[in-house]
Amino acid sequence: NAGVMQNPRHLVRRRGQEARLRCSPVKGHSHVYWYRQLPEEGLKFMVYLQKENIIDESGMPKERFSAEFPKEGPSILRIQQVVRGDSAAYFCASSPGQTDGELFFGEGSRLTVL
Amino acid sequence: SQQGEEDPQALSIQEGENATMNCSYKTSINNLQWYRQNSGRGLVHLILIRSNEREKHSGRLRVTLDTSKKSSSLLITASRAADTASYFCATDAKNDYKLSFGAGTTVTVRA
Repeated sequence: NAGVMQNPRHLVRRRGQEARLRCSPVKGHSHVYWYRQLPEEGLKFMVYLQKENIIDESGMPKERFSAEFPKEGPSILRIQQVVRGDSAAYFCASSPGQTDGELFFGEGSRLTVL
Repeated sequence: SQQGEEDPQALSIQEGENATMNCSYKTSINNLQWYRQNSGRGLVHLILIRSNEREKHSGRLRVTLDTSKKSSSLLITASRAADTASYFCATDAKNDYKLSFGAGTTVTVRA
């Protein structure tokens, strides 16, 4: 009974590099959410995806950030040309359907931009 | 956007005491949930209360919901050192499907 798996757990990038974060949802879950958490703050919604579809990306910056959830394989959150302000913990959560119940969270990927 | 605000920001109690934290939100909701986050870890779901419910219990947890005041409270009874964590309320607004989280209450239980 694997939960949500995120990798890498820790990622260090220099300014201008790309960061690619992966998320495998709970088996059977077709809905994935990405959240960002800055130190001492709550989670900020970024994007909501279903298989092969972006449902809501209203919380994601228009530039440099993209997300996908292909038919096969994990969901990917991609940050191009990272800047120091991108340093944060990025959490993925999954659910079997639209949010009407709990979300299952991964342990997060902590991005540090030097 | 819909978001809960927890109060207090931080709480320090002695083991065995009760811990109470509150959450206020802005618009009508389908349900309200509470999550716990241990330092450096992901969030763990604790309890969900629907908009037509007023109180719910789960083990040492008691949650209340007052939709007229748009507020909820989480009570942890007989606290333990292992309860040391940050606690977040999360709401999903009607006609919305994403959870919005507050900034959390950091609870420290002293042995």
